[in-house]
Amino acid sequence: QQPVQSPQAVILREGEDAVINCSSSKALYSVHWYRQKHGEAPVFLMILLKGGEQKGHEKISASFNEKKQQSSLYLTASQLSYSGTYFCGTDLTGTASKLTFGTGTRLQVTL
Amino acid sequence: DVKVTQSSRYLVKRTGEKVFLECVQDMDHENMFWYRQDPGLGLRLIYFSYDVKMKEKGDIPEGYSVSREKKERFSLILESASTNQTSMYLCASKGTSGRSTDTQYFGPGTRLTVL
Repeated sequence: QQPVQSPQAVILREGEDAVINCSSSKALYSVHWYRQKHGEAPVFLMILLKGGEQKGHEKISASFNEKKQQSSLYLTASQLSYSGTYFCGTDLTGTASKLTFGTGTRLQVTL
Repeated sequence: DVKVTQSSRYLVKRTGEKVFLECVQDMDHENMFWYRQDPGLGLRLIYFSYDVKMKEKGDIPEGYSVSREKKERFSLILESASTNQTSMYLCASKGTSGRSTDTQYFGPGTRLTVL
């Protein structure tokens, strides 16, 4: 069962902040975030593990609330280079042998 | 850096043709995956393989088969292509430490059009 991402799409002006959510109906061991720019392969951003750990990548950070089975990706002071589609991949096994990906959130940053 | 390559970026085939999509990785990864990507549906797993000659069905295996004769190569086969298989196909690979921190590395994708 695919996790649900929200919003489906968001348009930001450069410098604005955004939050992308990923919710699962099943217990999660970890959440993997990827970004895919148009015409390119998805690129790994970060992994969030059980324990509510927070991670960061440049000005992008994320959290994982295991009680709610939800992860949120925070984009701070967005840059044009942040444009793309963001996917969360959820690990239900603890070994990341298989990830179940969300439907994606399309982010567009404009001047 | 991990490199995952796919044999074609764009492919056009006719209904009923047998189609082979090839994927090669250079990091000696045990696990390899095939996904299809459609607008509004995200990435959906077709098949994956955790070792040579080993395979498991993903979430949408119908109409597809796979082959893994060598560790570095994972092929997706459409036995008789149909128009509803028009999509972007992404291959990925992953090492096996058995930890939840293992991540997947993706190839650039093959956009397949079935006419």
